[in-house]
Amino acid sequence: AQTVTQSQPEMSVQEAETVTLSCTYDTSESDYYLFWYKQPPSRQMILVIRQEAYKQQNATENRFSVNFQKAAKSFSLKISDSQLGDAAMYFCASYTGTASKLTFGTGTRLQVTL
Amino acid sequence: GAGVSQSPSNKVTEKGKDVELRCDPISGHTALYWYRQRLGQGLEFLIYFQGNSAPDKSGLPSDRFSAERTGGSVSTLTIQRTQQEDSAVYLCASSLANAVSYEQYFGPGTRLTVT
Repeated sequence: AQTVTQSQPEMSVQEAETVTLSCTYDTSESDYYLFWYKQPPSRQMILVIRQEAYKQQNATENRFSVNFQKAAKSFSLKISDSQLGDAAMYFCASYTGTASKLTFGTGTRLQVTL
Repeated sequence: GAGVSQSPSNKVTEKGKDVELRCDPISGHTALYWYRQRLGQGLEFLIYFQGNSAPDKSGLPSDRFSAERTGGSVSTLTIQRTQQEDSAVYLCASSLANAVSYEQYFGPGTRLTVT
C-alpha cells in the first residue's frame, strides 16, 4: 500500500519570498511517480509539478521546483518569488502502475501575505 | 476545449435519500476517476473506469455506493440511503488513458451535504 504524509497543515509566506512544503511517502514499488497539486477555493485541482522516481534530476516548472530525496522518501516543493495567486491548498500525491490511482496526502494550506 | 464538468455543483439531501452525481469527462479521454474529499482531508480514491468497465472498485466505501459509465463518456456516481458521513466533495478526473504518463484533469467537484 502507498501512503503520503504532509506534516504541515498550514504555512505562511510573504509575497516575493520562498517557501518549502514538505511531503514524505512510502511505497514498496520501484517504479512510481510523485506529484504536487494545487487546489484553490474554486476546488479545481491543478497539476503543479511531477517527478518520475527513476530520474535523479529534480523537476522544475518556472517558480516551482522539487527536492526529491529517494532514499529518504522525501519530496518537498519549493515555491520561489511567491505571489498572491499561489495561495491555495497544496497536495502531494503518488502514483504506481500497479495501483493505477493517485494516493494523496492531507494537504498544506498556503497563505501568502503582503 | 472544454474541461471536465460535474453536476450539480452543490447538493443538499436528507439522510436516507438517494443521490446521483454526474461527470462529463474531456472528449476522447478513456480513463475516468472518482475521488472523495472530506472536509480538511486529502482525496480518497473511489473507482476508476477504462472505457465502460471498472477494473478497480476497491475504493468504494460500502455497497451503498455504485458508479457506471456509458458510451465511454458520461459517468454517474450513485449513493443510496445517504448518511451524514457521506457529506464531502466528490471530484471526478479524466485522462487519455490509465497510465501515469497521461495527466489526470479534474472537474470542479460536487459538494454533497447530507442533513
